[in-house]
Amino acid sequence: DAGVTQTPRHEVAEKGQTIILKCEPVSGHNDLFWYRQTKIQGLELLSYFRSKSLMEDGGAFKDRFKAEMLNSSFSTLKIQPTEPKDSAVYLCASSLRGGSYEQYFGPGTRLTVL
Amino acid sequence: GEQVEQLPSILRVQEGSSASINCSYEDSASNYFPWYKQEPGENPKLIIDIRSNMERKQIQELIVLLDKKAKRFSLHITDTQPGDSAMYFCAASGNEKITFGAGTKLTIKP
Repeated sequence: DAGVTQTPRHEVAEKGQTIILKCEPVSGHNDLFWYRQTKIQGLELLSYFRSKSLMEDGGAFKDRFKAEMLNSSFSTLKIQPTEPKDSAVYLCASSLRGGSYEQYFGPGTRLTVL
Repeated sequence: GEQVEQLPSILRVQEGSSASINCSYEDSASNYFPWYKQEPGENPKLIIDIRSNMERKQIQELIVLLDKKAKRFSLHITDTQPGDSAMYFCAASGNEKITFGAGTKLTIKP
């Protein structure tokens, strides 16, 4: 029974580069979430999709962060251009429907921007 | 949007004693309150949750309490063990959106 998968697990980028993170949700889940995790801010919501439609685009993250859900089983998060403050763990999660059901988290991508 | 405050951010307790984490929320429409545990190097996993039609729920050594009037909820871990050492996140959800607290790092001292 496959859980949420994320690739790559680690990414190192130079300042100003474009990076793309990938996520495959649990099969049959309708909703997908992207979070950024840091020690100071905890879990911050970046984007939220329901049945491939963007429901939440994370306000403060709009300008350089763009999440897409090309089909029900694959999502990407693009950061362009990267800045050192983007260094964090990026978590993808999926659920049957919204925030009122258990979220299954992927292993995360640890991004380091030099 | 919803704001969730979680305290304390760091908690150290002696093995065998109880640990308590408290959260408060602002949006009275929130009706689902999950707790996630994240062990080092692992992803967060749901350990217990409570919906607004309940005031108390217990699963083994985990107890969650919900006070809707005060907009507060809490997690209590009784008889703590070394395996309880981890990050814990509370969250509040309503109308499909979910907001997480900043997390509590719990360390169980032998």
